[in-house]
Amino acid sequence: GAGVSQSPRYKVAKRGQDVALRCDPISGHVSLFWYQQALGQGPEFLTYFQNEAQLDKSGLPSDRFFAERPEGSVSTLKIQRTQQEDSAVYLCASSSGAGSWETQYFGPGTRLLVL
Amino acid sequence: AQSVTQLGSHVSVSEGALVLLRCNYSSSVPPYLFWYVQYPNQGLQLLLKYTSAATLVKGINGFEAEFKKSETSFHLTKPSAHMSDAAEYFCAVSDRETGFQKLVFGTGTRLLVSP
Repeated sequence: GAGVSQSPRYKVAKRGQDVALRCDPISGHVSLFWYQQALGQGPEFLTYFQNEAQLDKSGLPSDRFFAERPEGSVSTLKIQRTQQEDSAVYLCASSSGAGSWETQYFGPGTRLLVL
Repeated sequence: AQSVTQLGSHVSVSEGALVLLRCNYSSSVPPYLFWYVQYPNQGLQLLLKYTSAATLVKGINGFEAEFKKSETSFHLTKPSAHMSDAAEYFCAVSDRETGFQKLVFGTGTRLLVSP
């Protein structure tokens, strides 16, 4: 079946621009996560949704970062007034349940470059 | 807070040699433990996970890992490396005690396989 998809795969933004990154999770998956992966580093947690509820946004680095999942399916991560330090790969993952033992399935990521 | 340490940012082996990638966790309560692999320009793929059943866990592509509580370790091994194993490997934990589902990743180990 279809896996997690993300769009766009690559995004170049000028500093100060707003960007929106989309994630389509595996159909029926309850949980959705966003991670940020800087070059040469492991992914770092940004935020977590269970259905449409955002239960954890402790990893969002600033109030310029905003995520939503209004119908409990597709999610969008928005970054306002992008800065150079926002350059990274943004990974989306989904899992079928809500337990911490659940396998998270990752999308290919969106590579954001802020100039 | 939970953390994961991966010793060795790069590991080089010859094709056919043993692969050993190290992972240590810090947590008073043994967490759930995961190994993911990342190929260039792709998302992360689960190799295996430990959820407190057998301490020796077998995964895909011939990989296995052993949970050792006394050593707070979850090292990844493969008896015979193949060229196609060259990739970045990440160890990750999730919190068993709080049930928080977010993954905390190590910094990764790049496996290089030479002919």
